[in-house]
Amino acid sequence: AAGVIQSPRHLIKEKRETATLKCYPIPRHDTVYWYQQGPGQDPQFLISFYEKMQSDKGSIPDRFSAQQFSDYHSELNMSSLELGDSALYFCASSLGLRGTDTQYFGPGTRLTVL
Amino acid sequence: AQTVTQSQPEMSVQEAETVTLSCTYDTSESDYYLFWYKQPPSRQMILVIRQEAYKQQNATENRFSVNFQKAAKSFSLKISDSQLGDAAMYFCAYRTTLGWKLTFGTGTRLTIIP
Repeated sequence: AAGVIQSPRHLIKEKRETATLKCYPIPRHDTVYWYQQGPGQDPQFLISFYEKMQSDKGSIPDRFSAQQFSDYHSELNMSSLELGDSALYFCASSLGLRGTDTQYFGPGTRLTVL
Repeated sequence: AQTVTQSQPEMSVQEAETVTLSCTYDTSESDYYLFWYKQPPSRQMILVIRQEAYKQQNATENRFSVNFQKAAKSFSLKISDSQLGDAAMYFCAYRTTLGWKLTFGTGTRLTIIP
């Protein structure tokens, strides 16, 4: 079965640079979620989109922005990167209003900020 | 705010034996979803099992089953006939029926002893 696709899988950036993470949900899934998992931490919710509209917002820094496109893929844009942004970034997708269905996770993008 | 607590940072079990991972949560909601996700060394987040709070019957998926005690706000995971491939970090997660985000516990690292 098709899974959530994330690209790139690994990304190395310098401080103050910009990064863009992409997420392609499972076909027919209309909801995407972004989570950040720091070293030794549990995943923390950043933001979600349902039918291309922001549906919920968590602890996402103002330096980060995201959107969902007409083909339901999503991009997380991160600017003025800081050392503390180094983490594993997961995208998840689900189907249904109010995200009533289970969230399926992609393999993650490992971001390293030097 | 909802919180999820996993009081066992690490657990170990002999191969082929049974182990139970604990999870408690705090919520004022009456309807919600609970999940167990597994994160092996590859860091992929894999759904293990899901429970709807309105269902009294405990969920089961092959060797994995839960003991859901709604009044006690407890949601433990039992792994029977433990296998080497079960070695991973296990996260308990909560989501309200009206919400989007998953709230995770801090995880339990499970080691399987051959």
